[in-house]
Amino acid sequence: NAGVTQTPKFRVLKTGQSMTLLCAQDMNHEYMYWYRQDPGMGLRLIHYSVGEGTTAKGEVPDGYNVSRLKKQNFLLGLESAAPSQTSVYFCASSTRLAAFEQFFGPGTRLTVL
Amino acid sequence: GENVEQHPSTLSVQEGDSAVIKCTYSDSASNYFPWYKQELGKGPQLIIDIRSNVGEKKDQRIAVTLNKTAKHFSLHITETQPEDSAVYFCAASQNYGQNFVFGPGTRLSVLP
Repeated sequence: NAGVTQTPKFRVLKTGQSMTLLCAQDMNHEYMYWYRQDPGMGLRLIHYSVGEGTTAKGEVPDGYNVSRLKKQNFLLGLESAAPSQTSVYFCASSTRLAAFEQFFGPGTRLTVL
Repeated sequence: GENVEQHPSTLSVQEGDSAVIKCTYSDSASNYFPWYKQELGKGPQLIIDIRSNVGEKKDQRIAVTLNKTAKHFSLHITETQPEDSAVYFCAASQNYGQNFVFGPGTRLSVLP
């Protein structure tokens, strides 16, 4: 099993550009999450999904959109990137019955110039 | 909402010594407290957790203690080894649920 994978690993954007980060998991997990990690601030939840076709806002959702069209994939979109969105983005997944144990991907480092 | 503080932000210990990282939380409704280890270039990985109905939990060289009255919990690593060097995050959540609030992290360096 590959676990949780993220594409791409690195990306540089100019202000105003758009992009989509892809997260895929092969563990048949019901729940998936997107976090951002900034220095000195730990991980903050952006959006999460408790099942195919459902999404919900987390702590810092502004400027991001998500979609969960398939159970194994969770997409994070930036419609108009801003320098404040420079961060490392982590995707995670968990089962419904053990939502407390989250499995993280390796991260995507995004720089917005 | 919940607020989780974590201290120290950096910690250096000699190999073989013990390391202690402390976290405090603000919401008395929180009842699940995991600890994650993040190695360089990787995503965080759950290493130990504790629920509010337990005061202490141990797994080999790692232990976690919880003081519900004072609203703080601590990670204890004994006989530290170089491979323990990483960033450690504490977190808190309600209803053993998925919406964690993470602490800012502690960078642990184990010096040979």
